[in-house]
Amino acid sequence: GNSVTQMEGPVTLSEEAFLTINCTYTATGYPSLFWYVQYPGEGLQLLLKATKADDKGSNKGFEATYRKETTSFHLEKGSVQVSDSAVYFCAFSTLTNAGGTSYGKLTFGQGTILTVHP
Amino acid sequence: DTEVTQTPKHLVMGMTNKKSLKCEQHMGHRAMYWYKQKAKKPPELMFVYSYEKLSINESVPSRFSPECPNSSLLNLHLHALQPEDSALYLCASSPGQGYSYEQYFGPGTRLTVT
Repeated sequence: GNSVTQMEGPVTLSEEAFLTINCTYTATGYPSLFWYVQYPGEGLQLLLKATKADDKGSNKGFEATYRKETTSFHLEKGSVQVSDSAVYFCAFSTLTNAGGTSYGKLTFGQGTILTVHP
Repeated sequence: DTEVTQTPKHLVMGMTNKKSLKCEQHMGHRAMYWYKQKAKKPPELMFVYSYEKLSINESVPSRFSPECPNSSLLNLHLHALQPEDSALYLCASSPGQGYSYEQYFGPGTRLTVT
């Protein structure tokens, strides 16, 4: 079945360190891939997305590339800040038909807690 | 504008109370969702409305009752909840067919059942 496997946390880094959070997926069809971020006490924010193979999504210094051959979508940032401390969720969306209509169903990874120290 | 709003931000209710959560989006999205999120876990899908019709009910107990009055509004009516229903309730919306189906989430309602 559909699933997302994320690097287990928590991840603790010093400010300006390099960040990688690994994500691999198992999906039927051709999914769109996402990274969501959840800051303490808030909802999920869409951080970046990629909709086809070799696409690179980027936002706020974060990047991830859609690797179809390895079914991966690893998140990277060259220099993290204290303000990047949050939970990061890898997810994909597939078109699902139900109740006579279609919608995009999100499958999430378990989340990775990132803490950045000054 | 990719904003989804939710009210209230916090809610404390007893097990015999009736309350409602509200969600609103003005992005013209045609699918809206309710999720339940426990601490340090990913969101769990509860309901999906597509073009104002209930498309998915993920075996949610009847003490949770969704309503979609129009394409911009989504409500979740709560009645006779249990303490284990305490969680963050998230609303999301997404564009209709032909898009990449990303979902945009609101800030959530933090629900505590006493």
